Amino acid sequence: DADVTQTPRNRITKTGKRIMLECSQTKGHDRMYWYRQDPGLGLQLIYYSFDVKDINKGEISDGYSVSRQAQAKFSLSLESAIPNQTALYFCATSDWEGSGGDTGELFFGEGSRLTVL
Amino acid sequence: ILNVEQSPQSLHVQEGDSTNFTCSFPSSNFYALHWYRWETAKSPEALFVMTLNGDEKKKGRISATLNTKEGYSYLYIKGSQPEDSATYLCAFPGGGADGLTFGKGTHLIIQP
Repeated sequence: DADVTQTPRNRITKTGKRIMLECSQTKGHDRMYWYRQDPGLGLQLIYYSFDVKDINKGEISDGYSVSRQAQAKFSLSLESAIPNQTALYFCATSDWEGSGGDTGELFFGEGSRLTVL
Repeated sequence: ILNVEQSPQSLHVQEGDSTNFTCSFPSSNFYALHWYRWETAKSPEALFVMTLNGDEKKKGRISATLNTKEGYSYLYIKGSQPEDSATYLCAFPGGGADGLTFGKGTHLIIQP
């Protein structure tokens, strides 16, 4: 079983629908992230959380919200999906390795491909 | 928002040839530089996390160097094989509490 699990893996939905992508991890890491990948744009950070009570916006948080239900669970919601949110979404975790910033490597889930029609 | 640049954007290499590509990043407030390999239909996986100027890391035929003073890192692949075909991403911590900022990647295709 994967250490970082995302559900659903694929989803097709319509404009205006509410969508939730879920992520769970068994690595015991405190830090969790949601990234979005669009062709030619690389990975862009949507939201991140350093523990259960900590939520931070990334580069492209507009139109998204998150919930950190437990150390192991971090879900991403699209309250009202729009076509330009069609993308591949990755959840990732990391373990803080020391002071001076985030030096821990990321461990990625398998990705959730979302299509908004 | 940090600027992490990778070049070239894509690269076609003959099997058996060696190749390299570049990641450039802000040289001030350096914490670490990450390299990831992302194969089609899979998740990105970490290759190296580099923290010291002059650092050189190696994993099999893949190695990386780091120059924090001038803000660049090179990834080298020796004797390319078809299984090396992937997108190679570099990433740089935003500093403080930010997550990693990724470059757009170098898409490497090894031709038999």
